[in-house]
Amino acid sequence: AQKVTQAQTEISVVEKEDVTLDCVYETRDTTYYLFWYKQPPSGELVFLIRRNSFDEQNEISGRYSWNFQKSTSSFNFTITASQVVDSAVYFCALSERRNQGGKLIFGQGTELSVKP
Amino acid sequence: AAGVIQSPRHLIKEKRETATLKCYPIPRHDTVYWYQQGPGQDPQFLISFYEKMQSDKGSIPDRFSAQQFSDYHSELNMSSLELGDSALYFCASSSPGLAGPSYEQYFGPGTRLTVT
Repeated sequence: AQKVTQAQTEISVVEKEDVTLDCVYETRDTTYYLFWYKQPPSGELVFLIRRNSFDEQNEISGRYSWNFQKSTSSFNFTITASQVVDSAVYFCALSERRNQGGKLIFGQGTELSVKP
Repeated sequence: AAGVIQSPRHLIKEKRETATLKCYPIPRHDTVYWYQQGPGQDPQFLISFYEKMQSDKGSIPDRFSAQQFSDYHSELNMSSLELGDSALYFCASSSPGLAGPSYEQYFGPGTRLTVT
């Protein structure tokens, strides 16, 4: 069965610190997709990144970077030099290829609080 | 850029009443997904439609029904509302991929339903 685990429920850092949000997934599919979404206090879900299971290249986008490791079934998200505006709940999610509907299975979310 | 539109944004209903939530996907997106997010919870998949046909079904109560119309907008109908139906309801859409949905889902702002 598919499952996404975000073991960190809450993380609190001071502005300019680096922070890594962990995500571990379980799936029996060989082709799958991993996502990170941001949910700020306003409530919307903002798409951050999608990673295909056959592409293990790490990605960097500004202060954000993602480390995908199939060997450990992890897809971790690092924010460098965090800012107050990064405060939000971050969700990791999985979608399996065999499921043609493409539904997302979300982790429990990690609430990040960045203090000035 | 155009985003997913959901209406209404807020809805207050009493127990046993009915509610209809509407979703207008991003133009040229042919797949719509509905998710329910309870307070402090991660989003849970309800149902999805691809090219106006139901493509997958999750933990959607029998009291709920949904459809996708010829213009690709979707409606979620909820009857005999219960207190536990109070939640944030998200609609997401995705664009056509080479073989079915592209798996990259863009979320609307959500409809906050309160049942009293």
